[in-house]
Amino acid sequence: KAGVTQTPRYLIKTRGQQVTLSCSPISGHRSVSWYQQTPGQGLQFLFEYFSETQRNKGNFPGRFSGRQFSNSRSEMNVSTLELGDSALYLCASSFKRDSPEQFFGPGTRLTVL
Amino acid sequence: GNSVTQMEGPVTLSEEAFLTINCTYTATGYPSLFWYVQYPGEGLQLLLKATKADDKGSNKGFEATYRKETTSFHLEKGSVQVSDSAVYFCALSNAGGTSYGKLTFGQGTILTVHP
Repeated sequence: KAGVTQTPRYLIKTRGQQVTLSCSPISGHRSVSWYQQTPGQGLQFLFEYFSETQRNKGNFPGRFSGRQFSNSRSEMNVSTLELGDSALYLCASSFKRDSPEQFFGPGTRLTVL
Repeated sequence: GNSVTQMEGPVTLSEEAFLTINCTYTATGYPSLFWYVQYPGEGLQLLLKATKADDKGSNKGFEATYRKETTSFHLEKGSVQVSDSAVYFCALSNAGGTSYGKLTFGQGTILTVHP
């Protein structure tokens, strides 16, 4: 069974631009969670989607948004990029909403110049 | 709220040494506990898990026991290898309410194993 895939793997943007990251969960998994990883703040939860609905959201500004499609694929969008948005963005999937195990993709490395 | 505290790193060991990475947590109810490992340039891999008190998770020679009385989930390995060099994260999941789909992570511990 294929793992979680994320595209693109690397991205370079400039301040003020917007970016969209994509995540395809493991086949059959319906819950997708997103995390931001930085050296200073560590791993922080962004949001979680289940059956196309956002069920939980972390403490991030409204510039960070996401969505989930009927095939469980998910995208996250960051608008008006800031230098501090440079990070590794990780997507994780799990079989059902309250399943404790999450399986992670390789991440998208975003650099904002 | 939920929180996870890991021992300060980095940890540097010689091959075949014994490894312990301490992890303690704060949470309401009965969380599930995990250890994840991250190799350079990669995402997180689930190393082991425990879903209730006194459970022992184990994988690839690593072990951790869910101790509710001490709110701990320390990672151990009897004999480390160079290939174990990575960053290790302790995490918890507390199903329900505002915790759905959310893992709370410790700050990570960098492990370097020398030949």
